[in-house]
Amino acid sequence: EIVLTQSPATLSLSPGERATLSCRASQSVTTYLAWYQQKPGQAPRLLIYDASTRATGIPARFSGSGSGTDFTLTVSSLEPEDFAVYYCHQRSGWPPTFGGGTKVEIK
Amino acid sequence: QMQLVQSGPEVKKPGTSVKVSCKASGVTFSRSAVQWLRQARGQRPEWIGWIVVGSGTTNFAQEFQDRVTMTRDMSTSTAYMVISGLRSDDTAVYYCAADGSGVVATTYWGQGTLVTVSS
Repeated sequence: EIVLTQSPATLSLSPGERATLSCRASQSVTTYLAWYQQKPGQAPRLLIYDASTRATGIPARFSGSGSGTDFTLTVSSLEPEDFAVYYCHQRSGWPPTFGGGTKVEIK
Repeated sequence: QMQLVQSGPEVKKPGTSVKVSCKASGVTFSRSAVQWLRQARGQRPEWIGWIVVGSGTTNFAQEFQDRVTMTRDMSTSTAYMVISGLRSDDTAVYYCAADGSGVVATTYWGQGTLVTVSS
């Protein structure tokens, strides 16, 4: 099973600041890496797939990069609605797995 | 645009079974693959398995292989998941989901079904 490790566990930032979230895989997932945003009581929402492709309707302030084992999600300027938990997710190995999440909270 | 509507919350006793349904609309159901995931409170999502609707082929994460069944009814565009031998650590929100067209990533999600296992 491919293990995804996210860092940091919590990110305390103010609106307008830049958020940089990391995800490291225990073995290469090529670019089969997605990022999700989840708010309390809601299902996860797809933000990025194929490591760097924004999903339909996702604002341009969200961007993804990386390949192999190291990936980054960047939010260029945090909006109030961006404070949430973010998960990375791989579909390269079976079973598909999720990282432990990064909580982006208001400072 | 695919919509997935799941059945309501369930409370079950340990050792029993639960059946969760997932009704799809907005796509050709027979060309879909329905995924099932779960998420315990405060935990990361966890993949259970999926069913390829057209063929009925299923694939499960190893830890669920012995006690999960996935089926579908193409006449009603509904997928079903049964988990048997419930334990307290099966308490979670269960989601059905599906990839978007041309996308290798879970794109569409049901609203979730809370299954509580308690004596």
